[in-house]
Amino acid sequence: AQKITQTQPGMFVQEKEAVTLDCTYDTSDQSYGLFWYKQPSSGEMIFLIYQGSYDQQNATEGRYSLNFQKARKSANLVISASQLGDSAMYFCAMRGFNFNKFYFGSGTKLNVKP
Amino acid sequence: GAGVSQTPSNKVTEKGKYVELRCDPISGHTALYWYRQSLGQGPEFLIYFQGTGAADDSGLPNDRFFAVRPEGSVSTLKIQRTERGDSAVYLCASSMGTSGSGDTQYFGPGTRLTVL
Repeated sequence: AQKITQTQPGMFVQEKEAVTLDCTYDTSDQSYGLFWYKQPSSGEMIFLIYQGSYDQQNATEGRYSLNFQKARKSANLVISASQLGDSAMYFCAMRGFNFNKFYFGSGTKLNVKP
Repeated sequence: GAGVSQTPSNKVTEKGKYVELRCDPISGHTALYWYRQSLGQGPEFLIYFQGTGAADDSGLPNDRFFAVRPEGSVSTLKIQRTERGDSAVYLCASSMGTSGSGDTQYFGPGTRLTVL
């Protein structure tokens, strides 16, 4: 069975500081992908970053980086230099090689304080 | 280029009525997905199309839910005899449809369905 767990329902961070959002997963697939999405109050899911299970290096996209620890089955999102516009829900998702649907976690609500 | 579009953005209906929700994927994307998101939850998978065929409909909750994609582009999610528990945001996503685990899904803005 595939499962994504996000244990932080809500997080606060001061503007310009870095923040880490936790994500752990469970899968029996050897090849899988991990994704992070941002969902502002407008509701649209915005793709942020992708990490493949066989990628040797942690993924980075601008201010977003993914701290991938395969042995611990964790894929934490790090946002550097937080901005007020980063306030949103963040979802971790997983897709395996042999299935196309995404499994999502329950999300973390990030609030960036000025 | 244009992203995934969904219509209507909001739909209010009465219990027992029939509704249709439409999704227009990104041009060239062969894979299309429907998810349902309840308040405070992550999206839950409903159905996946590769081209015109439903490759995986294991997430449809019961036979009141049905989806089609007759020409391999636009898809319609159909809900019969709506119930109050069907109230949620229905999200559509599309992807290139390539094999492997890195096929990123891009989401539309969703349709908020409210069943009174």
